[in-house]
Amino acid sequence: GAGVSQSPSNKVTEKGKDVELRCDPISGHTALYWYRQSLGQGLEFLIYFQGNSAPDKSGLPSDRFSAERTGGSVSTLTIQRTQQEDSAVYLCASSLLRANEQFFGPGTRLTVL
Amino acid sequence: GENVEQHPSTLSVQEGDSAVIKCTYSDSASNYFPWYKQELGKGPQLIIDIRSNVGEKKDQRIAVTLNKTAKHFSLHITETQPEDSAVYFCAASKIGNQFYFGTGTSLTVIP
Repeated sequence: GAGVSQSPSNKVTEKGKDVELRCDPISGHTALYWYRQSLGQGLEFLIYFQGNSAPDKSGLPSDRFSAERTGGSVSTLTIQRTQQEDSAVYLCASSLLRANEQFFGPGTRLTVL
Repeated sequence: GENVEQHPSTLSVQEGDSAVIKCTYSDSASNYFPWYKQELGKGPQLIIDIRSNVGEKKDQRIAVTLNKTAKHFSLHITETQPEDSAVYFCAASKIGNQFYFGTGTSLTVIP
């Protein structure tokens, strides 16, 4: 079946602009996660949506970052007033609620000039 | 919160040799430890995982060991092949929650 998809695959933007990154999880997966992978670094947790519960936003690095999940499916990560340090690969993952394995998408590579 | 450390950051082995990657974690409440393989330009893919009630798990050439007392776990790849070359990440979590990842190991298998 279809895996997790993310769009765009690459995004180049100018410092100060807003960007939106999209994640389509696997159908039926009620848990959705966003991670950030900076060059040479591990994956940094950003935000977690679990079913109808309030999202866990504890990993968001600043108030310029926000995410929403509409209808319990598609999620959008928004970065306002982008900075050069926001340049990274943003990965989305989904899983069955309270299950172990997270399935990752291919990521969006964001470059802020 | 949880802190996961991973070593080494880079590893080169000859084809056919074994590779071992080690991780430590800080939160004794963590009970799920997956290992992911990430190839260039792709998202990470689960290769093996272990729960805290098990000390060792094996799947063909890949095995994972867990020492709960010492709070460390290791990935073992035997009979390495060139297609094993990738970046490997360990992670720790409480089941159903976000993963805390190590910083990754870039494995190169030399033919």
